[in-house]
Amino acid sequence: NAGVMQNPRHLVRRRGQEARLRCSPMKGHSHVYWYRQLPEEGLKFMVYLQKENIIDESGMPKERFSAEFPKEGPSILRIQQVVRGDSAAYFCASSRETQGNYEQYFGPGTRLTVT
Amino acid sequence: KNQVEQSPQSLIILEGKNCTLQCNYTVSPFSNLRWYKQDTGRGPVSLTIMTFSENTKSNGRYTATLDADTKQSSLHITASQLSDSASYICVVSGQAGTALIFGKGTTLSVSS
Repeated sequence: NAGVMQNPRHLVRRRGQEARLRCSPMKGHSHVYWYRQLPEEGLKFMVYLQKENIIDESGMPKERFSAEFPKEGPSILRIQQVVRGDSAAYFCASSRETQGNYEQYFGPGTRLTVT
Repeated sequence: KNQVEQSPQSLIILEGKNCTLQCNYTVSPFSNLRWYKQDTGRGPVSLTIMTFSENTKSNGRYTATLDADTKQSSLHITASQLSDSASYICVVSGQAGTALIFGKGTTLSVSS
């Protein structure tokens, strides 16, 4: 059973460009979470999605950021018109459920560098 | 404000020695507390998960404790190995469901 997959692992974008980060959850997992880790900071929750639904986007900036988890295919975190402050590691996690001591399994992350 | 504070920020120990990492939290309501290990350039990997009713939980050489009254947790690593060098992150779940609140982690370096 493959773990959570993220691609690309490294992404370089110039200011103003768009960044698309992909996450394929573990097989059988229908819950996907995105986190951002700034240098020297802890992971910060951004958004939680189930198939075709955004459940909680309270941690995601209102502008330029969007996320989706379509019926088929990976979850996408999209950042439009990137700025230098968007440079960070973006981690995706997935879980089979959300009740009790459920496990969130993390992917290896995408490191975004904005030049 | 929901917060998770960890100490020390970094720690260097010799291979074979034991160490204890600390975590204090102010998250309420509280659902569970987790310890993750994050190797450089990798995603976090779960070590233990504890609810408020659990005082201690072990996973091999890792033993986590939880005092829900004082809102403190510790992670004890026994007989450290070079491969234990990583960031150890305390994570608290505020309610049954989704949002996890992460500490900044303790960076452990084990040297030979």
